[in-house]
Formats: sequence, structure tokens, C-alpha cells
Amino acid sequence: EAGVAQSPRYKIIEKRQSVAFWCNPISGHATLYWYQQILGQGPKLLIQFQNNGVVDDSQLPKDRFSAERLKGVDSTLKIQPAKLEDSAVYLCASSLQFMNTEAFFGQGTRLTVV
Amino acid sequence: QQQVKQSPQSLIVQKGGISIINCAYENTAFDYFPWYQQFPGKGPALLIAIRPDVSEKKEGRFTISFNKSAKQFSLHIMDSQPGDSATYFCAASTKSSGSARQLTFGSGTQLTVLP
Repeated sequence: EAGVAQSPRYKIIEKRQSVAFWCNPISGHATLYWYQQILGQGPKLLIQFQNNGVVDDSQLPKDRFSAERLKGVDSTLKIQPAKLEDSAVYLCASSLQFMNTEAFFGQGTRLTVV
Repeated sequence: QQQVKQSPQSLIVQKGGISIINCAYENTAFDYFPWYQQFPGKGPALLIAIRPDVSEKKEGRFTISFNKSAKQFSLHIMDSQPGDSATYFCAASTKSSGSARQLTFGSGTQLTVLP
């Protein structure tokens, strides 16, 4: 079974630029999560999708972050404009259905904002 | 209320020793407690998990001990091996709005097992 795929693996941008991350969840997984993991900290949930609908985006900085999940499969997370404090690893995870407790994580995208 | 506190921040153990990582929570609505293992450059991977209706769960060299009254749980790694060197995160899960589940992670413990 293929895992959660994310791209790119690494991205370096200047502050105030925009950036987008892509995630392809495990086939058949209805729930998709985006997490932000700052160096030395645990992952923090940014947004959670059930199919193509948003379940929870209460911790998403909506003035600069946006996310969408087209057709309930792939998802894109965008930051515009980026700030220095956005430097982190952005992890995508998926689970079979929203009541399921196990989430499978991708390798993440390491973003450095300079 | 949603926070999960994890300690220690880092841990160094000799090969063959026991590694112990502790976590505490406040929210009594948490009803699923997984531990994740993360190697450098990789995403977290589920290691072992427990529900609050049992006090202990063992899978191979990994054991979770759970104390519901104290709202604490811990991971024990017996016969620690250099290959266990990784960052370990405790987490807690509860139903959020709309019956969806969310994971709240601890801050992580960087384990180093010396050969």
C-alpha cells in the first residue's frame, strides 16, 4: 500500500513570498490533516478535511494560510505571504474515515523562510 | 485544556537499558492515547496505542502504562537498541465538532541509545 505522498520535500523562500504544498493521501482515506511541526515541537493541527469538506480549521491562520481538497482526494496548502515564523515542517496525514483513530503521516515538506 | 505535557525533552540510554517517557493530560474527554515514533526526515509513525479502559498494553519491547486517575501515561522501551534512537511523541485524541477526531501531540522526547 502506497503511503501519504507530499511534495516538495524542501522549499526555501524569502519572507512575503508565497508557497504551496501538495499532498496525496492513501487511497480510500476520507480524512486528511495538515499539521505544522516547528523544530523541537510536536505537530500542531492546522486543518482537517472529511472528503472535500473542512471539519476543523480553527488553528489555521486564515489571513495567510489557505487549503483546499479537490474532489476529496489531493490537497494543497498555501501560504501567502510567508513570514519568518512559518519556517517549519508541514506534515500531511490521512485516515480511513473520521471516526478512525490511526492517522498515517507523509514525510513532510520542510519550509525555510529567509 | 487540550495540552499534553511530555517529559523528558531528551533521554540517553545505554543499549539494553529501559527507556521511560512520561506524559500528562488535563482534558478528561481524551479517549485514545497513541505514541508516535519519528526518525529524522520522516513523518511520525504510530508505534503503540491504548484506550483508558485498560491500565497497560504491551507490544514486543514497547509497553504503555496508563493511570486514569492521575491522568498520566508512559511509554517503556525494554532492552533499548540503537535502532530505537528517534523522537517519540505521545498524543491524545478526542472527538471534535461533528464527531471528527483530532490528535493533540506532546512536545516530543529525543531518545538516544548508545551502543
